Amino acid sequence: DSGVTQTPKHLITATGQRVTLRCSPRSGDLSVYWYQQSLDQGLQFLIQYYNGEERAKGNILERFSAQQFPDLHSELNLSSLELGDSALYFCASSSGTSGASSYNEQFFGPGTRLTVL
Amino acid sequence: KNEVEQSPQNLTAQEGEFITINCSYSVGISALHWLQQHPGGGIVSLFMLSSGKKKHGRLIATINIQEKHSSLHITASHPRDSAVYICAVRSNNDMRFGAGTRLTVKP
Repeated sequence: DSGVTQTPKHLITATGQRVTLRCSPRSGDLSVYWYQQSLDQGLQFLIQYYNGEERAKGNILERFSAQQFPDLHSELNLSSLELGDSALYFCASSSGTSGASSYNEQFFGPGTRLTVL
Repeated sequence: KNEVEQSPQNLTAQEGEFITINCSYSVGISALHWLQQHPGGGIVSLFMLSSGKKKHGRLIATINIQEKHSSLHITASHPRDSAVYICAVRSNNDMRFGAGTRLTVKP
């Protein structure tokens, strides 16, 4: 158990809908990362937050957004869902004092499996 | 060409064998991660390297910054090591991933 929790575990929805995925980092970790893992594109980095602020952005679509709240949990919002958004979404957390330039080890949550029908 | 290339794609070994998985990258990096993904999907971070060598139990990871290459070694492999091993590099506030190496260790 990494100490990172993600809810829900599974999510099935229809095209055009909007969903919210939630992540609670390990106690004391200030950085949260979101990743997408699909069958055709493998793992991709979406976005990083550090202590409530966006610190790094990867291949995140404009239909997707995220935020990190004062209690450090994070939410990833996916809207106007398409079939191709079906994937495993992982959250990871790390400690660190310098946000985007932190080199600290990441601890991964169990993932949320999203199926868009 | 992918920025992070792993080899081999698939690897089958007998229990007890010494395993090597390679990762080459083409971008400047600040750190390199080795991840393990089990059949159930969960991901565990094995190592994070920016230089030299790290060892944890039967696992050893090395990185050569000049050659832009890293290796993950598993000594005395065991069936429970069967998993997908993924190399990831951190570059300019982005993370790039290799396609993974699927390792199967037979008893």
